[in-house]
Amino acid sequence: SQQGEEDPQALSIQEGENATMNCSYKTSINNLQWYRQNSGRGLVHLILIRSNEREKHSGRLRVTLDTSKKSSSLLITASRAADTASYFCATVNSGNTPLVFGKGTRLSVIA
Amino acid sequence: DAGVIQSPRHEVTEMGQEVTLRCKPISGHNSLFWYRQTMMRGLELLIYFNNNVPIDDSGMPEDRFSAKMPNASFSTLKIQPSEPRDSAVYFCASSLSEGGDTQYFGPGTRLTVL
Repeated sequence: SQQGEEDPQALSIQEGENATMNCSYKTSINNLQWYRQNSGRGLVHLILIRSNEREKHSGRLRVTLDTSKKSSSLLITASRAADTASYFCATVNSGNTPLVFGKGTRLSVIA
Repeated sequence: DAGVIQSPRHEVTEMGQEVTLRCKPISGHNSLFWYRQTMMRGLELLIYFNNNVPIDDSGMPEDRFSAKMPNASFSTLKIQPSEPRDSAVYFCASSLSEGGDTQYFGPGTRLTVL
């Protein structure tokens, strides 16, 4: 079953702007992860945020988690053309269950 | 480490033929996952193994699909007979454990069934 739903499905911005992608999910989670997929490649892990965390940073990435709203957001600051990719959120329910991926947001950064 | 290795990278076959996709996980990882990605359905988990044992194959679409993991360093996904609707990119991923650890994906196998 699909857990995370990303929004928007597609996003186009100018280089240097910030990009925000959102993920909503339905049931309680253990952690939530964001992945990036460049065209023709496999997914690459970006960041993991646990259910007891509210915000996490990694370089130009900022992830927030609101468990009361069952949502997360990924902010990419000062975007670059190389950030053009699809971004997926993946949730982990309690127990030893594997990740459940959403359908992703396609980000285009125009130089 | 070389990361997750998949072969072949591209496969073009005719309907009815048997297709075998191969995966070598990262050394030391105990869990291995097979996914299928299409534009229509997104990324679907087909089956995953923990310590070489299949744990959940509920995502395998039909009996035409089978997967094995004979040892910790090798897994196969077989489609027999293949059909045009099986055309997709198939990814293998591995992680330290099944329970929500970071997954490391291979480059994928793009399968086209004519």
